[in-house]
Amino acid sequence: DGGITQSPKYLFRKEGQNVTLSCEQNLNHDAMYWYRQDPGQGLRLIYYSQIVNDFQKGDIAEGYSVSREKKESFPLTVTSAQKNPTAFYLCASSPQGFGQPQHFGDGTRLSIL
Amino acid sequence: KQEVTQIPAALSVPEGENLVLNCSFTDSAIYNLQWFRQDPGKGLTSLLLIQSSQREQTSGRLNASLDKSSGRSTLYIAASQPGDSATYLCAVPYGNNRLAFGKGNQVVVIP
Repeated sequence: DGGITQSPKYLFRKEGQNVTLSCEQNLNHDAMYWYRQDPGQGLRLIYYSQIVNDFQKGDIAEGYSVSREKKESFPLTVTSAQKNPTAFYLCASSPQGFGQPQHFGDGTRLSIL
Repeated sequence: KQEVTQIPAALSVPEGENLVLNCSFTDSAIYNLQWFRQDPGKGLTSLLLIQSSQREQTSGRLNASLDKSSGRSTLYIAASQPGDSATYLCAVPYGNNRLAFGKGNQVVVIP
């Protein structure tokens, strides 16, 4: 079955630590996205990538970094510069082209220890 | 930038009633509009995608209408069931293939 796999489901970060969230898709989609969801805030775009080896900042990229070395993988690193990382993180993918429907993973919940 | 609003933020209905969820957007020149469902602690599941040239899209008990000129879409869920309890989000594409999301309608169907 094709889909998007996010791991881990729950993640805890210590002060000053960088953590990496995994996102893998086997839908053969060119575009991938990272969103952050906070209660009452809706989804906010962190980073997105339209093609391998290329990515763009979204609305709240500060304190985050990404890489896109393979078509199927788009890991997100939450750095120590992100002072309020506690949130639910969602990864999505879509075929290339404007308005293509996005498909989502089940999310990773990140908390501070 | 496209702004998407969903009102009400939360609602409760008795089982069997029809649900009506509203989504409004500021820029009427949309390409399409997508409705999603989100269960607590889970990702988003796509329910319906309605193209700008369509007035309606139906799937089972779900029906989405689109009125571009007034900047509104409505999701109807017929004969609601407790399993319909979830948060429903709408989204429209803009800019460099990005999605603008509403904050969602949190629905509770009371048995």
